[in-house]
Amino acid sequence: SQTIHQWPATLVQPVGSPLSLECTVEGTSNPNLYWYRQAAGRGLQLLFYSVGIGQISSEVPQNLSASRPQDRQFILSSKKLLLSDSGFYLCAWRVGGADYGYTFGSGTRLTVV
Amino acid sequence: AQSVSQHNHHVILSEAASLELGCNYSYGGTVNLFWYVQYPGQHLQLLLKYFSGDPLVKGIKGFEAEFIKSKFSFNLRKPSVQWSDTAEYFCAVNAGAFSGNTGKLIFGQGTTLQVKP
Repeated sequence: SQTIHQWPATLVQPVGSPLSLECTVEGTSNPNLYWYRQAAGRGLQLLFYSVGIGQISSEVPQNLSASRPQDRQFILSSKKLLLSDSGFYLCAWRVGGADYGYTFGSGTRLTVV
Repeated sequence: AQSVSQHNHHVILSEAASLELGCNYSYGGTVNLFWYVQYPGQHLQLLLKYFSGDPLVKGIKGFEAEFIKSKFSFNLRKPSVQWSDTAEYFCAVNAGAFSGNTGKLIFGQGTTLQVKP
């Protein structure tokens, strides 16, 4: 079956520290992968998406970066966190074919202090 | 740029009341439309979706939505809400569905629904 794993579930990091959030998908190949952020009171904002290994598209300029070192692995990173990076980060992948379904991970609650 | 607007940010209803949450999008071409729900402490999950055909779409838990192309709208409805419907609801659009698009979902700001028992 197709599943998506996202970790950690919660994270508290000091300002200026690095960040690495990982998302992996099982049960499919060559998925489209997405990173979203849900800031308090602001809904879901698309940060990055990837249609293949090594391919990253950025939707908004920011302090974050993304990488896709393997087909089913999607990593969100930062060299130095800002207070404004706090939020709920969701990884998603798209089921191919005519259904265009999307599956979301359980999310990571990041608090920058 | 494509955008999605949800007009109601916070809705409070009593049980058995009817629900309608507004969603409008800005894109002139073919779209796929979605409503997602996030119950407290749970994953985002799909309520219903529209791709083509009958503009009245029925989803899980008694929810339905109507796609009105002329109004660029995809409002969510439920005839009688329950306390368990308390959650955050997101409308989302995937534009350019038939143009080899990348499958990006653009979300609205979300609507928090609170149902009082």
